[in-house]
Amino acid sequence: DAKTTQPTSMDCAEGRAANLPCNHSTISGNEYVYWYRQIHSQGPQYIIHGLKNNETNEMASLIITEDRKSSTLILPHATLRDTAVYYCIVRAANDYKLSFGAGTTVTVRA
Amino acid sequence: DAGVIQSPRHEVTEMGQEVTLRCKPISGHDYLFWYRQTMMRGLELLIYFNNNVPIDDSGMPEDRFSAKMPNASFSTLKIQPSEPRDSAVYFCASTLSPSGGIYEQYFGPGTRLTVT
Repeated sequence: DAKTTQPTSMDCAEGRAANLPCNHSTISGNEYVYWYRQIHSQGPQYIIHGLKNNETNEMASLIITEDRKSSTLILPHATLRDTAVYYCIVRAANDYKLSFGAGTTVTVRA
Repeated sequence: DAGVIQSPRHEVTEMGQEVTLRCKPISGHDYLFWYRQTMMRGLELLIYFNNNVPIDDSGMPEDRFSAKMPNASFSTLKIQPSEPRDSAVYFCASTLSPSGGIYEQYFGPGTRLTVT
C-alpha cells in the first residue's frame, strides 16, 4: 500500500519557488515525513524531514498541515540543478527502511 | 569523507555468469542498505544490515541473490546465476542510528548492471 501520493510531474521556472505537494492521509502519530530527491544518474539525496512543525534548512522548507494529512516541499528559488525526481516518504520513528514511491519529476526550465 | 563507495560503476555480463557488487559505507555508520532501481519497479529495498548482521532480507528477489557484510567497512551483493531481468542500477546506502530524530541515508553512486 502506498503511504504517500504525489503528482507525477511538474514544471517550474528558474528563479521561482517550486511547491511540491504530497498527500499522506493515513499517517500515524509517530511517523515522520521525509523528502529525498534523485538527480539523474545519481543516488537519492536527503532534503528535509518533519514531524508536525514546519521545517526549513539550506535546501528547502517543509510545510505540514495541522492534521498532518498532507505536506508541501518548497524550493524557494529553483535552479536548473534542482531538476530531479522528488520523493515524499512517510517513516515511523523505529523503522529503518525507506519506501520510495514513484515520486514527482520536477523540471526546472530557464 | 569520501561518501559511500560502490564498485564497479558499470558491469556488463552474460546471462548465467556470477556478478559481485561491492560497497564501502561511510566510516562509523552502523546501517547498510542495498537497493535496486528499474524503470518498471522503481527503487526497491533488497536487504539491510545493522552492525554487519542482516536484519531484513525480505526484498531479496530470489535465491540467486545473496548479500554479505564481513566487516563494518565492506559489503557485497552477489547474483548467481545472473539473468537479463536483473539488469538495473544497484545502490548501496549507509546511515548512523538515528540521533535526535534525524535519520538520513547516504547513497552511493550506484552500479549499473547489464545482463545480456
